[in-house]
Amino acid sequence: GDSVTQMEGPVTLSEEAFLTINCTYTATGYPSLFWYVQYPGEGLQLLLKATKADDKGSNKGFEATYRKETTSFHLEKGSVQVSDSAVYFCALSDRGRALTFGSGTRLQVQP
Amino acid sequence: NAGVMQNPRHLVRRRGQEARLRCSPMKGHSHVYWYRQLPEEGLKFMVYLQKENIIDESGMPKERFSAEFPKEGPSILRIQQVVRGDSAAYFCASSPQTGRNTEAFFGQGTRLTVV
Repeated sequence: GDSVTQMEGPVTLSEEAFLTINCTYTATGYPSLFWYVQYPGEGLQLLLKATKADDKGSNKGFEATYRKETTSFHLEKGSVQVSDSAVYFCALSDRGRALTFGSGTRLQVQP
Repeated sequence: NAGVMQNPRHLVRRRGQEARLRCSPMKGHSHVYWYRQLPEEGLKFMVYLQKENIIDESGMPKERFSAEFPKEGPSILRIQQVVRGDSAAYFCASSPQTGRNTEAFFGQGTRLTVV
C-alpha cells in the first residue's frame, strides 16, 4: 500500500537558519504530494502541493520539489522564523483517494 | 465562506458511553473524510463519504465505529461504548471533488478524552 516516511523530530533551529525536512514516499500509482502544517491546538492547513514530477510547490518561503526518481518531496526554507514553529506533515493522494500522511515532524525555532 | 466546522472541539466521555462527532463541510463540498490522530502521531484515514454514501471505510475499526453523511445536515462520526484507546483528535476534511489537483480543507478537530 501507499506510505510516507518523514524524518523524526523534533527539529530545533535558531531563527534565520536553513530548514530541510526529508520526506520519501511509496505509492502504487502516480500520486499528488502535499505538505501540511499544524499549529498547536489547530487543524491542518495546506502549505504547498505538487501534482507531477519536477513540479515545485512553494508558499510563505517554503518550497518542495516532486522528485519521481528518488520518490522524495523534501521541504525547505531558507530562513526560518519563530512563527514557523509547528508540526509539518508530508502526505500523498494516489488517484484522488484520501490522503496518506507521514508521522509528522515537529519544528521548534528559537529566537 | 465558512471553513470546515467541527463540534464539539473537546468531548469527554466515560468508558462505555457513546461519542458523536459532527462535521459540517465547506459550502459546496460534497466529499467528507474523517481522520484520527493519536498523540504524537500522524493522521490515519478512517472513512470517506459523499452525500448519503460511504465510499471507502477501509480505515474504520470493524466494531463500535460508524459514520454517516445524510442528505441534509452534518456528517456524523459515532463511537459506541468508548474505551480509553479511543482518546484521540478526530479531524474532518472536505473537498468539492476528487482528483489530482483537489485540495482537502480540514476542520479544527474534536479532541475526545475517555475517562
